[in-house]
Amino acid sequence: EDQVTQSPEALRLQEGESSSLNCSYTVSGLRGLFWYRQDPGKGPEFLFTLYSAGEEKEKERLKATLTKKESFLHITAPKPEDSATYLCAVDGGSQGNLIFGKGTKLSVKP
Amino acid sequence: NAGVTQTPKFQVLKTGQSMTLQCAQDMNHEYMSWYRQDPGMGLRLIHYSVGAGITDQGEVPNGYNVSRSTTEDFPLRLLSAAPSQTSVYFCASNTGGPGGELFFGEGSRLTVL
Repeated sequence: EDQVTQSPEALRLQEGESSSLNCSYTVSGLRGLFWYRQDPGKGPEFLFTLYSAGEEKEKERLKATLTKKESFLHITAPKPEDSATYLCAVDGGSQGNLIFGKGTKLSVKP
Repeated sequence: NAGVTQTPKFQVLKTGQSMTLQCAQDMNHEYMSWYRQDPGMGLRLIHYSVGAGITDQGEVPNGYNVSRSTTEDFPLRLLSAAPSQTSVYFCASNTGGPGGELFFGEGSRLTVL
């Protein structure tokens, strides 16, 4: 069964304290892995797409990496405005629709 | 650019009532979809469409109906609301097909009493 698991469920950081979020997946054939950011009361907002193991993408303080079994979202020197829920999704199911994880809720305190 | 627009943002229904959640996009996207988001669970796909006149079921389609008469609009109908349908509903679209980067609306929060 295709599955996406994100950890931890919640993460509290002090401003400037770097950390990583994990997304592990099991799909029959990965066609793409996506990271989204979701603010409270809003719809998810696209961040990155990764297609193959070894690929990396960066945007401001965020860096996404991909291996054959998992992806990491590294957050360097986070700021309070980085507080949000981060969602991971994979395109690899038989229908081709995205399969989402449950998300990691990140809180960054000043 | 408006992007993906959902209405209403909030709705309270009684069990057994029917209603339609509206979704419109102005990006000329062929693919549109409806997800529901519940606490402690990931986004789950309800129905999707790869173009006007074409719809298909997702992971949790029971109790919902969709149609796609135009490229722009993709309404979601609740036929007879149940408390289990209390959720936040998101409409999403993209130009590349089901597996591409999705553009989401702001969501519609539905409560069924």
